Amino acid sequence: AQKVTQAQTEISVVEKEDVTLDCVYETRDTTYYLFWYKQPPSGELVFLIRRNSFDEQNEISGRYSWNFQKSTSSFNFTITASQVVDSAVYFCALSEGSSNTGKLIFGQGTTLQVKP
Amino acid sequence: SQTIHQWPATLVQPVGSPLSLECTVEGTSNPNLYWYRQAAGRGLQLLFYSVGIGQISSEVPQNLSASRPQDRQFILSSKKLLLSDSGFYLCAWQRGPLDGYTFGSGTRLTVV
Repeated sequence: AQKVTQAQTEISVVEKEDVTLDCVYETRDTTYYLFWYKQPPSGELVFLIRRNSFDEQNEISGRYSWNFQKSTSSFNFTITASQVVDSAVYFCALSEGSSNTGKLIFGQGTTLQVKP
Repeated sequence: SQTIHQWPATLVQPVGSPLSLECTVEGTSNPNLYWYRQAAGRGLQLLFYSVGIGQISSEVPQNLSASRPQDRQFILSSKKLLLSDSGFYLCAWQRGPLDGYTFGSGTRLTVV
């Protein structure tokens, strides 16, 4: 069965520190998609990134970067030079390619607090 | 451009009362639609999803139900709310099964 584990429940850093949010997934599908979402205090979930299982290239978008390693079934998210506005709950999610419904399985989320 | 509307933003309802939360999507056709619930301090639980009008799949047996009377309208209902129904309800749409979700702004439901 598919599963997403975010072992870090809460992380607290001081502004300008780098921080990595871990995500480990389980799936039997060879084709799948991984996502990261940000949930600021307002509650709405904001899409950050989608990766498919055939693309292991790391991706960088500004201060955000993602490290996808199939060998360890991990899709970790790093924020460089964190800012107070990065404070939010971050969710990793998995969608299996064999499903025609597009259901996302979410991890429990990691609460990131960036202190000034 | 596509937008998703979800209302109300907050709701306080007594135990045993009915519930109706509405979600509509604009700017697209035949989207996949989803209802998720987020209990306080926890992750997102998929409640219902729909791949077309009148097609509803339930993920978790409970006293909630969903309907899709129109292509871009998704409604979450209950005949009698329980205390355990309290939570943050999020509606989401996606263009197709391989696309990311776009979430609504959510409804914070408190059952008292």
